[in-house]
Amino acid sequence: ELKVEQNPLFLSMQEGKNYTIYCNYSTTSDRLYWYRQDPGKSLESLFVLLSNGAVKQEGRLMASLDTKARLSTLHITAAVHDLSATYFCAVEGEYGNKLVFGAGTILRVKS
Amino acid sequence: SQTIHQWPATLVQPVGSPLSLECTVEGTSNPNLYWYRQAAGRGLQLLFYSVGIGQISSEVPQNLSASRPQDRQFILSSKKLLLSDSGFYLCAWSVLPTIAGELFFGEGSRLTVL
Repeated sequence: ELKVEQNPLFLSMQEGKNYTIYCNYSTTSDRLYWYRQDPGKSLESLFVLLSNGAVKQEGRLMASLDTKARLSTLHITAAVHDLSATYFCAVEGEYGNKLVFGAGTILRVKS
Repeated sequence: SQTIHQWPATLVQPVGSPLSLECTVEGTSNPNLYWYRQAAGRGLQLLFYSVGIGQISSEVPQNLSASRPQDRQFILSSKKLLLSDSGFYLCAWSVLPTIAGELFFGEGSRLTVL
């Protein structure tokens, strides 16, 4: 059974600081996704990582994928309050017909 | 462009009552369709997915069922709700036929069972 683990589950950081969220998964997969969820809202796609070594950047967020280590990272640079949200990683299931999500990381950026 | 609609957005139901949540996708054909639940807390649990009309795969045994009567319509139902059915229900679709690919989520339906 595919398991996806994120850490930390809760992250409180000061504006301007850098931090990394980690996503580990238990089976071989070349495809990993990052989503953002604002409180009470649905999920919004952030990054699609489709191969080993893939790196995507959007503003202050950068995501990378190491399929050999079964690890993806979401790096936050110089955090701002607007980045406060819950971030999920998700990995394709064994037959590629579903996504299995991590538990999510609640990020709070303090002014 | 493709859009996904879910309704109702909010629902408060008594224990033992029936449930019907509906999801419709526009602007695409033959989408993969998914129902996820997010209980209080944060994690998303896959409940059902469908790769075609009448084709439903259930991920966990539970009090819920799903149906896909039309290509772009996905319905989540229950005959008798339990307290544990409370949560935020999210419908999603993907464009690729056999690989999940990127999921696009609806706005969600918040269900409270009292």
